[in-house]
Parts: sequence; C-alpha cells; structure tokens
Amino acid sequence: GEDVEQSLFLSVREGDSSVINCTYTDSSSTYLYWYKQEPGAGLQLLTYIFSNMDMKQDQRLTVLLNKKDKHLSLRIADTQTGDSAIYFCAGRGNTDKLIFGTGTRLQVFP
Amino acid sequence: KAGVTQTPRYLIKTRGQQVTLSCSPISGHRSVSWYQQTPGQGLQFLFEYFSETQRNKGNFPGRFSGRQFSNSRSEMNVSTLELGDSALYLCASSLGGDSGGYTFGSGTRLTVV
Repeated sequence: GEDVEQSLFLSVREGDSSVINCTYTDSSSTYLYWYKQEPGAGLQLLTYIFSNMDMKQDQRLTVLLNKKDKHLSLRIADTQTGDSAIYFCAGRGNTDKLIFGTGTRLQVFP
Repeated sequence: KAGVTQTPRYLIKTRGQQVTLSCSPISGHRSVSWYQQTPGQGLQFLFEYFSETQRNKGNFPGRFSGRQFSNSRSEMNVSTLELGDSALYLCASSLGGDSGGYTFGSGTRLTVV
C-alpha cells in the first residue's frame, strides 16, 4: 500500500545545511511535497516537485528526487533558528489525496 | 489573496455531541480536502470534494461526513463524538486536477471531553 517514511529527528547548528530525507512506496506518485509545521499552526507548503524532475531549487531550499529508489530529500542551506519546525513530506498519486510521512522535527541550535 | 480560512480555531465538545467545522478555500479553488492530525496517527486523509461532489474518501467511520457548497466552501461534520476524535482538523484547497499545490488552513483544534 501507500507509505511514506521519514526519520523523526534532526538537530543542526545554525548556519549549517540541513538535509531531511523521505522514502515513499507509491510509484504512481505524480507530485511530491514538502510542508513545514510550526507549533500550533497549520501546514505551510514549502515546495513541491513533479515526478519527472530530478531537482528543484528555490532560494535556500533544494529538493532532490531519486525516482528509482523512491527517495526524496529537502536541503535547507544556511539553516536558521526560524527553520526549527516539523517537516512533512507527502506524495500524491492518481487520486487527489496526500499521503504524509510521520514528520521530521528539525531543531536548530546556536 | 486571502488564504484558506477555517472556523472555529478551537472547539471543546462533550462525548456524544456532534460538531460542524467550516473551511473557506482560496478564491477560485474548487477542490477542498480534509485531514485529521493526531500525535498517534499523524496526518490522515478524510475526504476530498470537487465541485460539490465527494471524489475521495479515507478510512474513517460514517460518523465523519462532509459537503461542499456551490461557492466551494466546505463543511465537515462529526456525529456522536468520541474522545479519540480529539485532533487538529486541517482543510486544504487546490485548483483541482493536475495543478500541483495544496494550501492548508490553520486548522480547527477539537477537544472532546
């Protein structure tokens, strides 16, 4: 069935790069998304990538997609304390529903 | 343009009661989806509406229902509330079809006591 997996925690020093990883099982995923959730808030769409792309860059964010291995990553350059949040990857297949990962809690320390 | 608006932001209900949550999508968006977020189960898909028709439904009991109006606003209803229904309910809107992005609202935090 459909499944999306992420590691639970990531801790990085301010100014370093963060890499959050995600693996998914549904090969029919046409779009793959990264969302950010801060405490008490909803989900903020950070970026998304279409499945026929390998990479997408948007300012400090770089998304890499390895479709063969069903692996998605989000790299945040020059990580700041304001980047501390939970990051969710999600896949969208043939139906218009998102399958979310468990979320990765990113902690940025000075 | 205005984002996705969910009302109310917080709600406290008693077991056995019913509740209705509202979602106003971004202007021009015709697809509205609902998700439940709990610490134990994470984010789970409830249902999706497009042009007043339910197109997809997740694995939730029949106590969870929804509808969409002609102006694309959507409501979800939960009847006979249980303690386990306590969650953050999130609504997402999109243009629908092969358009890509989903924009989420801030959610309604439901507490059942």
